[in-house]
Order: sequence, then C-alpha cells, then structure tokens
Amino acid sequence: AQRVTQPEKLLSVFKGAPVELKCNYSYSGSPELFWYVQYSRQRLQLLLRHISRESIKGFTADLNKGETSFHLKKPFAQEEDSAMYYCALSGGSNYKLTFGKGTLLTVNP
Amino acid sequence: GAVVSQHPSWVICKSGTSVKIECRSLDFQATTMFWYRQFPKQSLMLMATSNEGSKATYEQGVEKDKFLINHASLTLSTLTVTSAHPEDSSFYICSAWGGSNYGYTFGSGTRLTVV
Repeated sequence: AQRVTQPEKLLSVFKGAPVELKCNYSYSGSPELFWYVQYSRQRLQLLLRHISRESIKGFTADLNKGETSFHLKKPFAQEEDSAMYYCALSGGSNYKLTFGKGTLLTVNP
Repeated sequence: GAVVSQHPSWVICKSGTSVKIECRSLDFQATTMFWYRQFPKQSLMLMATSNEGSKATYEQGVEKDKFLINHASLTLSTLTVTSAHPEDSSFYICSAWGGSNYGYTFGSGTRLTVV
C-alpha cells in the first residue's frame, strides 16, 4: 500500500526565514515523489518531482530512501510562498497518485 | 505546457438530480485520468482511475453506481454524480496522466453544491 504522511498541518514562518515542510512515505517498491502547491483559489500545480532534481521558486527536495523522506526546503521564505503544499507518491503500473494531508504554509511579513 | 480543462467550475443542483462534470486534456492525450474529491481544508482523496476504453477502477468505499465515469476518448473523461444528495456536495478535481513527458496535470476543479 502507498502512504504519504505530512506531520504538520500548519506551518508559520517569517519572511526571510528558512522553511522545511516534512514528508514521509511508505511504499514497498521504488516510488516517484512529488510536491504540489495550491495557492488560494487556484488549481493544484506541480512544484517539483524528485527525478528531475530541479529547484523551482527556490524550493528543493531530496529523496532519502533510508529515512523514506522527501522534505521540501527553502532557505529564505517569501510572502508569496504562502499556500497549501501537498506531498504525493506514485508507484506501480497504474500511475495512481497518493497525496498527503497537506501543510498550510503561512509566511508572515 | 500540458493543460486540463474541467467544466463546470461550479454547479448547484437539487437533490435527486444528476450532474455531469467534464475533464478534457487540451494538448495531449491521456490514457489515464483520475477523479478526486476534496473536502474543505482536507487533502485530495482519490475516487477512481479512469482508463480510456475500459471500465473505471474505483477506490474502496466509492459507490460506482453513484459516481459514473466514462472515458470515451483519449482527451475526455466525465464524472456523473447520479441522484445527488447534500452529502455529495464537495470539490471534485480531475487529473490526467500524460506519460513521462507531461506527468500529471490537474483540472481547476468543480464545486458541487446539492440543495
């Protein structure tokens, strides 16, 4: 079974502070991990995927298979980063995407 | 980039009526589409996986006779909520899998309110 855990429902930081959104997963095979972002009243958007190893909007995430984690990090948070962030996992041939419960990030001025 | 169009964006219907929601991939073909339900301040819950030309695969606890899914072409999947009740009121989101090139692309969602 696929499972994604985001332990923090809410996260509040000040502008310019580092931010880390935690994500742990459970999957028996080789998963593909994603981070999606949902800004207020907008559709879900892909932020990054582990296989591309890109840095989008200053965010990075490293897949740690030993700790089964895929934490999202940004060294200096901006107010426009305030949004809902979902970690997601895809595994198997059916391409089913399983989401974590999400973390609402608020960046205060 | 890949775009998925979902219509309508919101709909209000009376109890007992049926509502159809469309999900179209505009610039790519999607053999697989997914339908999610999102309650306020909660995550997306997968309802079913829709495969072009075959029956949808429903997640445990989702009534297949209530949530009818049709994936008649490589660019269109529809979700019909039959005999809607107020407890069906929710935000429904579709996603299309466009292969390794396009990945998953999400629709803008449909807010269904059953009165």
